[in-house]
Amino acid sequence: SSELTQDPAVSVALGQTVRITCQGDSLRSYYASWYQQKPGQAPVLVIYGKNNRPSGIPDRFSGSSSGNTASLTITGAQAEDEADYYCNSRDSSGSVVFGGGTKLTVL
Amino acid sequence: EVQLVESGGGLVQPGGSLRLSCAASGFTFSSYWMHWVRQAPGKGLVWVSRINSDGSSTSYADSVKGRFTISRDNAKNTLYLQMNSLRAEDTAVYYCAREEMVVAAIPLDYWGQGTLVTVSS
Repeated sequence: SSELTQDPAVSVALGQTVRITCQGDSLRSYYASWYQQKPGQAPVLVIYGKNNRPSGIPDRFSGSSSGNTASLTITGAQAEDEADYYCNSRDSSGSVVFGGGTKLTVL
Repeated sequence: EVQLVESGGGLVQPGGSLRLSCAASGFTFSSYWMHWVRQAPGKGLVWVSRINSDGSSTSYADSVKGRFTISRDNAKNTLYLQMNSLRAEDTAVYYCAREEMVVAAIPLDYWGQGTLVTVSS
């Protein structure tokens, strides 16, 4: 199996742009999906595939990928975006792997 | 409306067993692969297991292989996780989640609210 590495914590000023990254060898072959999780709640899918947003997810959320790194970008971060963010992907063995998560603080 | 509702969690002694259920509604359950994901208190998400749409293929995280068994009953629209030989480190909230079929990605587009499993003497 492979690993996905995320920065433990990131902060952004209200209204500014923030990028959350996810690194792993499997990302050279597979896209990451991104999840937002607020305290006491189940995760919510925010980005998947090349750069797809499920219905209801604001367009300030976007995804990109380069080499072994996938990124989730929030353009114009809002107070309600403060949450934990996780990436996941498929690995070469067919299993599933999650990143360790990034705690986003909106200042 | 898609709904996933887990049940079956609780307190169990080390070495014990528990079976979790996930009742699905609002979509054609038999068309989707399903997953179990867990989250220990204060920790991150950890993938546990996956089953294909007709139940003929399964996969597991190394940490649960040989102890946990995923299964489904498409007639009852229900996903299961049989957990045996439970350890303290299995203590977590267990979520079931639906996989949206996308090439070269594994988006879990709907999640249940989770059920807490506590392994302690």
